[in-house]
Parts: sequence; structure tokens; C-alpha cells
Amino acid sequence: GAVVSQHPSRVICKSGTSVKIECRSLDFQATTMFWYRQFPKQSLMLMATSNEGSKATYEQGVEKDKFLINHASLTLSTLTVTSAHPEDSSFYICSARAGGPPTQYFGPGTRLLVL
Amino acid sequence: AQKVTQAQTEISVVEKEDVTLDCVYETRDTTYYLFWYKQPPSGELVFLIRRNSFDEQNEISGRYSWNFQKSTSSFNFTITASQVVDSAVYFCALSVGSNDYKLSFGAGTTVTVRA
Repeated sequence: GAVVSQHPSRVICKSGTSVKIECRSLDFQATTMFWYRQFPKQSLMLMATSNEGSKATYEQGVEKDKFLINHASLTLSTLTVTSAHPEDSSFYICSARAGGPPTQYFGPGTRLLVL
Repeated sequence: AQKVTQAQTEISVVEKEDVTLDCVYETRDTTYYLFWYKQPPSGELVFLIRRNSFDEQNEISGRYSWNFQKSTSSFNFTITASQVVDSAVYFCALSVGSNDYKLSFGAGTTVTVRA
């Protein structure tokens, strides 16, 4: 149980294009989903928290117009990196949490490379 | 504010040796949750254990064991008889209700098990 999928697993795009990453909870309803960014050999940095049907809450320093988050259903959240630039290249990981115990289950991550 | 400290950056052992990963946390909340996650080279974070602040019982799961001591604000993790497949980055994390149960991660400890 508690499986979270993420798609795509890897994406290479040209500078200036937008990239959408999907995060799905496969066997449970996720009242809350989280988006993280991880640089090589570093810990996870929380970017934003999204609750189904409401606007995402962004952490300080994260540009909400740059990283668009949509949580349209209890099993799907999307992160769109708009007008991507090389500095946006990173490993993006989502997690999902059902109501009740605050355990977050993580997706396999998406490696984004912007050329 | 919450803080998690994993003082060990890297640990290298030979197979079958025991490994103990230290985790020290700080919070003013009386109710909180502690977690350990494993991140193998593939990148996906794997949930290992959750402990709440009212449950100080130590836990053993196969070759894994956890020692929670509120008196020293520590939640240490031991891998007994390590195997090559245990090679990964291990993260300790803390969540509290006053912070919407967001995860505060430690910096991670890279464990390398040599054959």
C-alpha cells in the first residue's frame, strides 16, 4: 500500500519551454501533496504544499509563477516548471499524505535537465 | 522552529558490520513525529519508520532497529549485519502539528557497505 507514482522519471528540455510533472497516489486518497527539490548530495528542500481543491502554499523564496502547482483531485497533483532555464535543472520529488497519521509517501522523483 | 541534525555525513563499513546512524532533533512542540527514510541510488525515498513523541518503545524490524530517547532528543537507527543493498542515503525527519506536519529533514547520512 501507499504507492506514489511520478511521471516522467526523466526529462530533457530546451531553455524557455515549460515542463509538467505529474504525481499520483495510486492506492490511497491524498489530502495533501508536497513538492520537493533536491540538489546533488543535499537534503530535500520543500517547495510547496498543496491541498486538494485549494491553492498551493509556497515556501519562502519559491516563485509561485515559476512553479505552478495544481491539485485537482485527491490522487493527482501536477507541478509545471514554466519557462525553464538551466538553473531549474534538478531532481524534483513529490510526496503524498492521507488524512490521519502524518506519514508522507514519496514518488520516485523526476530528473529535469534544461539545456 | 524545528531542526534535525545528522552529524555523520558519510559512513563506510564492510559487509556484516553493524552501522548506527545518529539523529538529534529540536522542537518546542510536545507532540511530534519522527521518521527515517532511505534513499537508494535510484532516488526514491523509502519510508522506514514513524515514531510519535509519546511512544518511546524501541523497535526492531528485521536487521533494522531504532532507539528513541526523549531525554537526549535522539532517534538513532542501527543496521545490524549490513549488506551491500543497504548502501544508500538515510534521512531522519521531524514533523509537528504547529508546522502543518511538514517534514524537517536532516542533512542525510550516506552509508556505503563494501563487499
